[in-house]
Amino acid sequence: DQQVKQNSPSLSVQEGRISILNCDYTNSMFDYFLWYKKYPAEGPTFLISISSIKDKNEDGRFTVFLNKSAKHLSLHIVPSQPGDSAVYFCAASASNNDMRFGAGTRLTVKP
Amino acid sequence: DAGVIQSPRHEVTEMGQEVTLRCKPISGHNSLFWYRQTMMRGLELLIYFNNNVPIDDSGMPEDRFSAKMPNASFSTLKIQPSEPRDSAVYFCASSFGLGQRANRPQHFGDGTRLSIL
Repeated sequence: DQQVKQNSPSLSVQEGRISILNCDYTNSMFDYFLWYKKYPAEGPTFLISISSIKDKNEDGRFTVFLNKSAKHLSLHIVPSQPGDSAVYFCAASASNNDMRFGAGTRLTVKP
Repeated sequence: DAGVIQSPRHEVTEMGQEVTLRCKPISGHNSLFWYRQTMMRGLELLIYFNNNVPIDDSGMPEDRFSAKMPNASFSTLKIQPSEPRDSAVYFCASSFGLGQRANRPQHFGDGTRLSIL
């Protein structure tokens, strides 16, 4: 069962525009969420996280929004840069240390 | 600082053979995780250790898979016998603290691409 879903396998955006990556989860016990970025032939690297007590967390060009009622989170990248082209994984964790990853979304930022 | 080191980077072997993947976590980290990445299921947690003790192995697909962590600086994931459906990228990650809680993000190795013919 996929408790964390990234329904868009790929996304293409023009440089300078906003990239919005979406993630849905089903387990109401999840209370901490992260985004990881992965370049080819490398492991995922931590990007940004958010606790369920917040609905927004911002770090430079990256902002994560959490809508608990909809069990939905999104990652906004503004402005998008070609170096942001990568696979982005959404992950969710619960206090019992259970954590699940989504299948990933491949972002391509075109110059 | 050295990150998480995995070896080999690539492994190609015939079905039925034993495969051993290796991982050296970041020094000082006390949690170690093994993941498998496939196109269909994304990143799946196979097993994780805390202070060298296996805490949750519920993600290990079947008895053909086993993992050990004999000391704080080394872990292995073994598949015996291997099957073509085991072909995937296997990642090792480490962090400080207990479990997978996001407030202590995991640091991933670059993975082992395994192909079983």
